[in-house]
Amino acid sequence: QLHLQESGPGLVKPSETLSLTCTVSGGSISSSSHHWAWVRQPPGKGLEWIGSIYYSGNTYYKPSLKSRVTISVDTSKNQFSLKLNSVTAADTAVYYCAREKESAATDWGQGTLVTVSS
Amino acid sequence: QSALTQPPSASGSPGQSVTISCTGTSSDVGAYKYVSWYQHHPGKAPKLMIYEVTERPSGVPDRFSGSKSGNTASLIVSGLQAEDEADYYCSSHAGSHVLFGGGTKLTVL
Repeated sequence: QLHLQESGPGLVKPSETLSLTCTVSGGSISSSSHHWAWVRQPPGKGLEWIGSIYYSGNTYYKPSLKSRVTISVDTSKNQFSLKLNSVTAADTAVYYCAREKESAATDWGQGTLVTVSS
Repeated sequence: QSALTQPPSASGSPGQSVTISCTGTSSDVGAYKYVSWYQHHPGKAPKLMIYEVTERPSGVPDRFSGSKSGNTASLIVSGLQAEDEADYYCSSHAGSHVLFGGGTKLTVL
């Protein structure tokens, strides 16, 4: 049974960098069949795909966030990470990590709320 | 790369059928078979209900089905049950990224 767990600070100051890690258990992040993605949901709004990474390090980002986002993978720890810089209140959201196959997110973490506030 | 267009709300009585639409463009929904649907209960993780337009993951009831015509995909929920009340999101491969719809709140009357 695959399990994904997000971790990281729940509060980030404006203009700083949001950093989250997703730890994968019950399966290998080095799977050739899957990508590993970040999705967020601002309060009261819909889901927003942020980006994804393949175990080899190939990354794919939402065009409007591309300039601020970095997704990386650590196969030795079976983890992947999200960094979002220059955050504003608009980046306040529940952030989910997920496993993707052919652009479908088949498995999700429980999500973690990140609030951007001074 | 605007979000895919979904109706904000849909409703039906128990036992009825409801269809939720998801309209994109010839660069996303119309171009690929990689359209998915998710069920999202508040406070929980989203759940994949349909992938590749029509495919159901193991464990998803066959009351849920999907289709696509041109730039519009649809989720059909037949035999509505109280537990189907949730937010539903479509998503589509869009070349180098993935787009989500704005979400549809399904109410079981």
